[in-house]
Amino acid sequence: AQSVTQLDSQVPVFEEAPVELRCNYSSSVSVYLFWYVQYPNQGLQLLLKYLSGSTLVKGINGFEAEFNKSQTSFHLRKPSVHISDTAEYFCAVTAIYSSASKIIFGSGTRLSIRP
Amino acid sequence: DTEVTQTPKHLVMGMTNKKSLKCEQHMGHRAMYWYKQKAKKPPELMFVYSYEKLSINESVPSRFSPECPNSSLLNLHLHALQPEDSALYLCASSQDEGTGTEAFFGQGTRLTVV
Repeated sequence: AQSVTQLDSQVPVFEEAPVELRCNYSSSVSVYLFWYVQYPNQGLQLLLKYLSGSTLVKGINGFEAEFNKSQTSFHLRKPSVHISDTAEYFCAVTAIYSSASKIIFGSGTRLSIRP
Repeated sequence: DTEVTQTPKHLVMGMTNKKSLKCEQHMGHRAMYWYKQKAKKPPELMFVYSYEKLSINESVPSRFSPECPNSSLLNLHLHALQPEDSALYLCASSQDEGTGTEAFFGQGTRLTVV
């Protein structure tokens, strides 16, 4: 069965510093991986996705992630964060069953940016 | 149009009330989802509709009743809820199931059961 583990519940960083949010997945089949962001009192917005092909994926707002099959990881990175990046970040995997598929979310990482 | 629209944005209901949450998308997506999200927790899947048919029910109590009247609309009927059902209810849609396409989420309905 597919699952997702986000290793850090909170990550505080200073403005303009780089950041990495960690995500590991477990799957016995091909995976589709996603990073979503949720700002306070809002829905989820897709940052980026990995379906196949190049292992380095670029997304919106300057974020990127690297798919590492050997380490079963899909860590999210940004070289320089801004105050507006303060939000909850969810790593997710699509679990595909015989008749349906569903998105399974990790527990989330709260990114807080200090001025 | 890449929006999923949910109404109402906020809802307060008593434990004996009947209410409905509505979700609409005009992206031609054939899969639609209901998620429940408690504070400081990830979204938890409740239901999946694929081509207007219920394909996944994650053992949700019967006081929650989904309905998909057509390919653009998804409702969640609520009856005899409990205070612990208070949460943010998120609707999402995707092109279809099984292809790895991303889900687009609405802004959610914040439900409070009193």
